[in-house]
Amino acid sequence: DTGVSQDPRHKITKRGQNVTFRCDPISEHNRLYWYRQTLGQGPEFLTYFQNEAQLEKSRLLSDRFSAERPKGSFSTLEIQRTEQGDSAMYLCASSFGLAGGETQYFGPGTRLTVL
Amino acid sequence: LAKTTQPISMDSYEGQEVNITCSHNNIATNDYITWYQQFPSQGPRFIIQGYKTKVTNEVASLFIPADRKSSTLSLPRVSLSDTAVYYCLVGDFNNNAGNMLTFGGGTRLMVKP
Repeated sequence: DTGVSQDPRHKITKRGQNVTFRCDPISEHNRLYWYRQTLGQGPEFLTYFQNEAQLEKSRLLSDRFSAERPKGSFSTLEIQRTEQGDSAMYLCASSFGLAGGETQYFGPGTRLTVL
Repeated sequence: LAKTTQPISMDSYEGQEVNITCSHNNIATNDYITWYQQFPSQGPRFIIQGYKTKVTNEVASLFIPADRKSSTLSLPRVSLSDTAVYYCLVGDFNNNAGNMLTFGGGTRLMVKP
């Protein structure tokens, strides 16, 4: 299967701990997005990379959140000093962006529970 | 991005055609209309995208009237496995920059036997 993969699928942590999630996009895709989804709501945009450059960050992405995409391949999203309000599904999507249309393909998500 | 309005929930029965309408009164000239499907504990899955008139693929049809202020996703002969949340999104997906998708609450479709 060559779709978007995310690891881990589930993470339970205690308040104040740091967590890191990984996203492996579809191999030829140059764009990578992170979204967050809470129960009963649609996904909300967090940040976006084109190749290795982080081009957009939502105001939802506080200073405790950091994302990287070294070498324009996989990406990591780190949350420092987790809070209970960080509990959510974290979704990664990738696309091959070019003029003429873009479709984002989503991974299965990482469900974070902060106790 | 243009705001969208769609029904919170819909019920249907197996074998029926389901039509979900989305309103987007402030759609811009360069905006496209895209629909995603999401099952519990999974990421959204792209269904269909269109700009005007009608688009059809192996999964669904998308009807867009001339004024483009609304669109209708049509799912033919639904089955139980079509029970999911369906999101309507509007944006300029045809540009050369990144697209930060803005999801609303979606429509929760329940297909009954």
